[in-house]
Amino acid sequence: SQKIEQNSEALNIQEGKTATLTCNYTNYSPAYLQWYRQDPGRGPVFLLLIRENEKEKRKERLKVTFDTTLKQSLFHVTASQPADSATYLCALDSGGYNKLIFGAGTRLAVHP
Amino acid sequence: DVKVTQSSRYLVKRTGEKVFLECVQDMDHENMFWYRQDPGLGLRLIYFSYDVKMKEKGDIPEGYSVSREKKERFSLILESASTNQTSMYLCASSLEETWGYTFGSGTRLTVV
Repeated sequence: SQKIEQNSEALNIQEGKTATLTCNYTNYSPAYLQWYRQDPGRGPVFLLLIRENEKEKRKERLKVTFDTTLKQSLFHVTASQPADSATYLCALDSGGYNKLIFGAGTRLAVHP
Repeated sequence: DVKVTQSSRYLVKRTGEKVFLECVQDMDHENMFWYRQDPGLGLRLIYFSYDVKMKEKGDIPEGYSVSREKKERFSLILESASTNQTSMYLCASSLEETWGYTFGSGTRLTVV
């Protein structure tokens, strides 16, 4: 079955540094991959989508890469700020109707 | 501002009760989804709908049913609530394939 792995341990970094979160997947070749941000007690918020034929996508201080050979996506937050502290989820298309499979998420904590 | 509204933020129900979770979107989206989120397990798809009166099972449909009589409303029904259905329930909608989801704020259901 399809499986998505995100680092379950929280990532703690200093303000101003670049945070890099990893999403690995197995047993599937998704046509696209999405990243979401989730704050405690709230629903996830869509951030970025990257397609299988795209290597990299940027949005402001966010950058996502997609390596279909390694079956891996990296999510970078540059010049991180305490307001970037949240849980970040990756999600893969599950074939049709925009169904997504979500990873369990990685919590990012940015310290002043 | 586009919205997905879930009728309740918190619910406490007794074992055996029939529970209705309501979700309304104001974006004319075709696709609607119900997920549950549990610590360490991420979001798991319960049911989804790609059109009015059309529904498909997700990965964990047992003990649940859904109803979509109007495009904007997608209801999740717990036929006979059990304690293992205590969870955060998230509704989402999307316009079409490859679009990001818009999530509601979630309903935290406790079954006692």
